[in-house]
Amino acid sequence: QVQLVESGGGVVQPGRSLRLTCAASGLTFSRYRMHWVRQAPGKGLEWVALISSDGDIKYYADSAEGRFTISRDNSGNVVYLVYLQLNSLRIEDTAVYYCAKESGLGRAILDYWGQGSLVTVSP
Amino acid sequence: QSVLTQPPSVSAAAGQKVTISCSGTTSNIGSNSVSWYQHLPGSAPKLLIYDSVKVAPGIPDRFSGSKSGTSATLGINGLQTGDEADYYCGTRDGGLSVVVFGGGTKLTVL
Repeated sequence: QVQLVESGGGVVQPGRSLRLTCAASGLTFSRYRMHWVRQAPGKGLEWVALISSDGDIKYYADSAEGRFTISRDNSGNVVYLVYLQLNSLRIEDTAVYYCAKESGLGRAILDYWGQGSLVTVSP
Repeated sequence: QSVLTQPPSVSAAAGQKVTISCSGTTSNIGSNSVSWYQHLPGSAPKLLIYDSVKVAPGIPDRFSGSKSGTSATLGINGLQTGDEADYYCGTRDGGLSVVVFGGGTKLTVL
């Protein structure tokens, strides 16, 4: 049973930083690409970033490029971690951030999602 | 402004069928398969359809998908009150691994 659990959200001032963590279990973690997707209040889903199965390749949305960093730790035994470092936060970064696993089929099929972690950027 | 275009809302009576459209361009839907997700407020999004037409494991076959050119459609038969949710289409864009979503469609079951 695949489980993804996000943590690390909270209230932060503009310009500050925050690190989100996604704890993944129930899967052969090192086989899969992982994504972060966010949803701002009253808005739709917005893709943020993805990381390859080995962590070497990373892609970012334009809104995240240069400010956010995705990383992963494949060294775990039962629980594996994906991170999203959020720097230079802006009010418009306020959102629920979801961690999602890409299917082994690839093609950006996100077959498992976490419940999300709320980030609020406020003066 | 989302890259993929969906109607903001659709509604239909319980037991009836509804379709939700998703329009894109040659660089996204025209070149890639489409996934559909169901999202209930406060919960994790759920994969419904992948590869444009395949029903995800555990999803009832009341849900269906199709694609033609630069558009895709999600169909839901035998509507139930539990189907009330936001529905999103998603695909890759630009030949890279960038992922794009539609703006979401709120389904109301009358």
